Amino acid sequence: NAGVTQTPKFQVLKTGQSMTLQCAQDMNHNSMYWYRQDPGMGLRLIYYSASEGTTDKGEVPNGYNVSRLNKREFSLRLESAAPSQTSVYFCASSEAHTALNYGYTFGSGTRLTVV
Amino acid sequence: RKEVEQDPGPFNVPEGATVAFNCTYSNSASQSFFWYRQDCRKEPKLLMSVYSSGNEDGRFTAQLNRASQYISLLIRDSKLSDSATYLCVVNAGYSSASKIIFGSGTRLSIRP
Repeated sequence: NAGVTQTPKFQVLKTGQSMTLQCAQDMNHNSMYWYRQDPGMGLRLIYYSASEGTTDKGEVPNGYNVSRLNKREFSLRLESAAPSQTSVYFCASSEAHTALNYGYTFGSGTRLTVV
Repeated sequence: RKEVEQDPGPFNVPEGATVAFNCTYSNSASQSFFWYRQDCRKEPKLLMSVYSSGNEDGRFTAQLNRASQYISLLIRDSKLSDSATYLCVVNAGYSSASKIIFGSGTRLSIRP
């Protein structure tokens, strides 16, 4: 019962480097999300995918791109990392995006440091 | 004003005590409300939904006050294992995930 799996768990990047954070869920959920969590600011939505084949911007999309590869996988790409992108990144999934009645299931997070 | 505000704490209470904290929200059109629990360096996990009539799950009671626009979480007979950060989550609409707002969390520490 893996739920939501994120890789890698930790990463250090130099400014300007690129990387892709991977996320996969095995619960047959329709919707997937990428959040970042910074001290004192709560979780902020970067991008989401309401269903396979669709993606939309969240609150803080600048500097990121996403790909909903299939129903299971939703990746987040940093094209040119900046120190301001140092954060903890969480992937989440839910049955439907229209309400949180079923709750989110979160992955264990990726701790990213950009130096 | 933040859309969802929580007292960051920390609340430091002895084991067995009752503790309560609130979360205020600014959008009166908010439709659904939740409490999540997040342990240190872990992911958030759904604790309970908050219904208009209030709801209880064991030692945990959640209440919604629409008139004053806040939700509350009451923990009775607190255990050491209740030490965590509690996140308030508000969904201001059903049509977009971007309306879902997380509070920055209230830290709770239970001491022996």
